[in-house]
Amino acid sequence: AQKVTQAQTEISVVEKEDVTLDCVYETRDTTYYLFWYKQPPSGELVFLIRRNSFDEQNEISGRYSWNFQKSTSSFNFTITASQVVDSAVYFCALSEQGAQKLVFGQGTRLTINP
Amino acid sequence: GAVVSQHPSWVICKSGTSVKIECRSLDFQATTMFWYRQFPKQSLMLMATSNEGSKATYEQGVEKDKFLINHASLTLSTLTVTSAHPEDSSFYICSASKDSRGYEQYFGPGTRLTVT
Repeated sequence: AQKVTQAQTEISVVEKEDVTLDCVYETRDTTYYLFWYKQPPSGELVFLIRRNSFDEQNEISGRYSWNFQKSTSSFNFTITASQVVDSAVYFCALSEQGAQKLVFGQGTRLTINP
Repeated sequence: GAVVSQHPSWVICKSGTSVKIECRSLDFQATTMFWYRQFPKQSLMLMATSNEGSKATYEQGVEKDKFLINHASLTLSTLTVTSAHPEDSSFYICSASKDSRGYEQYFGPGTRLTVT
């Protein structure tokens, strides 16, 4: 069975601080996909990244970076020099090959204070 | 590209009535569509998966007679909440995928349902 755990329910930091959101997953498949989504107060999910299980390279996109480590079944997300606009709920999700569905973690509510 | 719309964006209905929510893929053909429900401050829970022209596959615990899903075309899926009750009040989100595996899902903006 697939499962995603985001242990941090809420995080609050001051603007310009770096912040890391943790994601731990469980799956029996060797082929799977990991995702991060942002959900601002408007409610619409914003796709941030997709990673397949065979690509462990870290990814950097502007202030965002992702650390994928199969050894610890983790796919952590770091925001560097956080901004108030980064305030949102962030979801990590997992899709197994052939499962045809996304399983979401509980989400982490991130608040960036000015 | 890959835009998904939902209509309405919010709806208030009286207990016992039915309400229909539409999900459309605007610029691509969606082989598969998914319906999620999200309660306040909670995660998204998959309700059902629908493939065009086929019956929807419901997740365990989701009443198929209460949440009717129709995927009549490659660009439209509808979710009808029948005999709505206050506990059905939630944020309903659809997503659409170009392939049957659903690896890449494009999400709609969501529909907030309030049952009074």
